[in-house]
Amino acid sequence: QKEVEQDPGPLSVPEGAIVSLNCTYSNSAFQYFMWYRQYSRKGPELLMYTYSSGNKEDGRFTAQVDKSSKYISLFIRDSQPSDSATYLCAMSVVRGAQKLVFGQGTRLTINP
Amino acid sequence: NAGVTQTPKFQVLKTGQSMTLQCAQDMNHEYMSWYRQDPGMGLRLIHYSVGAGITDQGEVPNGYNVSRSTTEDFPLRLLSAAPSQTSVYFCATCLTGIRTIGSPLHFGNGTRLTVT
Repeated sequence: QKEVEQDPGPLSVPEGAIVSLNCTYSNSAFQYFMWYRQYSRKGPELLMYTYSSGNKEDGRFTAQVDKSSKYISLFIRDSQPSDSATYLCAMSVVRGAQKLVFGQGTRLTINP
Repeated sequence: NAGVTQTPKFQVLKTGQSMTLQCAQDMNHEYMSWYRQDPGMGLRLIHYSVGAGITDQGEVPNGYNVSRSTTEDFPLRLLSAAPSQTSVYFCATCLTGIRTIGSPLHFGNGTRLTVT
């Protein structure tokens, strides 16, 4: 069993819908949680960063961490076609981005 | 400011051949790493380095060698390529120490390797 599990999708939704992406993990030592976005044929780019449990909002994006359930989520409001990409959750025991453990990635398509 | 530069972008090898994937960064990041990305497996850490002269193994190091003689460069060597090493390889870098809070992992655009 992988340390971080993520439904690979693919997920296809209409423009304007609310999107929910999720990951579960097994290592209770993970403290730092991130979401990366990867466009086709590009390297991943950091989208959201959270430390420990709670919510963090940035524009149309909200990241949520529930350490008691070992579950993290990313919500996208008012989704746009430009949000079409693969979304990867990532987490780390140590502070920062070293030795990140990634989920499998969810491929998301927003249909106009 | 180029960020993280990976060469080549594409490569086809025959089983048993060797090659080196190049990674160069101009952000003065101490930490450099190599990941491979395979369908259904996500990104898996191969090797990493926290500074010149220091390297360590990640989750899937077998079949790969690395060295770090300078801050800027972190080449990945395949000594005898196997079909199982067909993948997309990403080099990624970041800051270390107290400056890492909120600091992202910066990725190159990948090297697509096929081993036949």
